[in-house]
Amino acid sequence: GIQVEQSPPDLILQEGANSTLRCNFSDSVNNLQWFHQNPWGQLINLFYIPSGTKQNGRLSATTVATERYSLLYISSSQTTDSGVYFCAVESAGTASKLTFGTGTRLQVTL
Amino acid sequence: NAGVTQTPKFRVLKTGQSMTLLCAQDMNHEYMYWYRQDPGMGLRLIHYSVGEGTTAKGEVPDGYNVSRLKKQNFLLGLESAAPSQTSVYFCASGRSGSLRGYTFGSGTRLTVV
Repeated sequence: GIQVEQSPPDLILQEGANSTLRCNFSDSVNNLQWFHQNPWGQLINLFYIPSGTKQNGRLSATTVATERYSLLYISSSQTTDSGVYFCAVESAGTASKLTFGTGTRLQVTL
Repeated sequence: NAGVTQTPKFRVLKTGQSMTLLCAQDMNHEYMYWYRQDPGMGLRLIHYSVGEGTTAKGEVPDGYNVSRLKKQNFLLGLESAAPSQTSVYFCASGRSGSLRGYTFGSGTRLTVV
């Protein structure tokens, strides 16, 4: 099956810093989604981004499907950004089943 | 609008006991899914359903059964719980043909002792 790798596995930032999280996938995908899992375990949709670039406030994401990677940018980080960020992909013809990466654990400190 | 509701939120089982986790969605989604999340790992798909009365195996189906008798409900059963099934279980629902609106429940933390 498709493999999804995320880097870095862990990241510690001071409040106000910027960061880039990367997601590589091993095969062509229909769709790609970024999730944030907050410290209480809740999974929150960030971006549905099979290709191109999207922005939502301080967060933006870019997917280059032909090169099989996606990037999540966090600017001016805040403590509320802490948690685990997951990339998940949907392969062609798979009934919207998602394959998740192992995540990037982000800690934003004061 | 509650979205996706999972019950119970926490449960402790003894090895060999059985239990059923309930997932209910009120968004009229066709597709529903059960995932498990183990420490330091992403979510892995256990079983899924593309419509009422249909179920299919995911990546890690062994030891679990599912049923979808009503469109809004998706049940996950453990017939004889094992310590290896200690995990956090997430249910999700979505529309056919699109990840837009893919919604997760808040999770069920299950411990098997």
